[in-house]
Amino acid sequence: EDQVTQSPEALRLQEGESSSLNCSYTVSGLRGLFWYRQDPGKGPEFLFTLYSAGEEKEKERLKATLTKKESFLHITAPKPEDSATYLCAVQAGVSSNTGKLIFGQGTTLQVKP
Amino acid sequence: EAGVAQSPRYKIIEKRQSVAFWCNPISGHATLYWYQQILGQGPKLLIQFQNNGVVDDSQLPKDRFSAERLKGVDSTLKIQPAKLEDSAVYLCASSSWTGPQSGNTIYFGEGSWLTVV
Repeated sequence: EDQVTQSPEALRLQEGESSSLNCSYTVSGLRGLFWYRQDPGKGPEFLFTLYSAGEEKEKERLKATLTKKESFLHITAPKPEDSATYLCAVQAGVSSNTGKLIFGQGTTLQVKP
Repeated sequence: EAGVAQSPRYKIIEKRQSVAFWCNPISGHATLYWYQQILGQGPKLLIQFQNNGVVDDSQLPKDRFSAERLKGVDSTLKIQPAKLEDSAVYLCASSSWTGPQSGNTIYFGEGSWLTVV
């Protein structure tokens, strides 16, 4: 069964304190791994898609990496405005005809000034 | 470019009542999804449409939930009768997915927040 697990569930950082969020997955044929940001009361906002092991993508203070079993979202020198829930999702099955995403439960990040 | 539009944003109903949510996807996106997100969890797919046909509704509780996408654009998700455990955010999303060989990013709307009391 395809599964996504994120850790930690919650993370508190001081402004400027770098850290990483983890997303472990088991899937039958990965088509893509997605990272989304979700603010309270809002829908998920797309951040990155990673397609193959070794791939990296960056956006401002965020950098996403991918291995065959997990992905990391590195946050460098975070600011309070980075506080949000970060969701990881996989699109499974190279022959899948649905394209649906399977989500983890999310990591809620709080950055204190 | 306009995003995925959803309405209403918030709804409070009593159990056993009915409710309907509306979604207008990003222009040109053939694929439309309805996800359910319970507080503290990640979104879970309820139903996926490709144009106006259903591709995946394996996790839709068909005894109480129904969805349609007439004319392949707007979609409506209905719950009747509602239960307390249906309290959640209902997220509509769309993409340009056309099959396994196409790449796609799924874009989400702001969600419709349902409270069943």
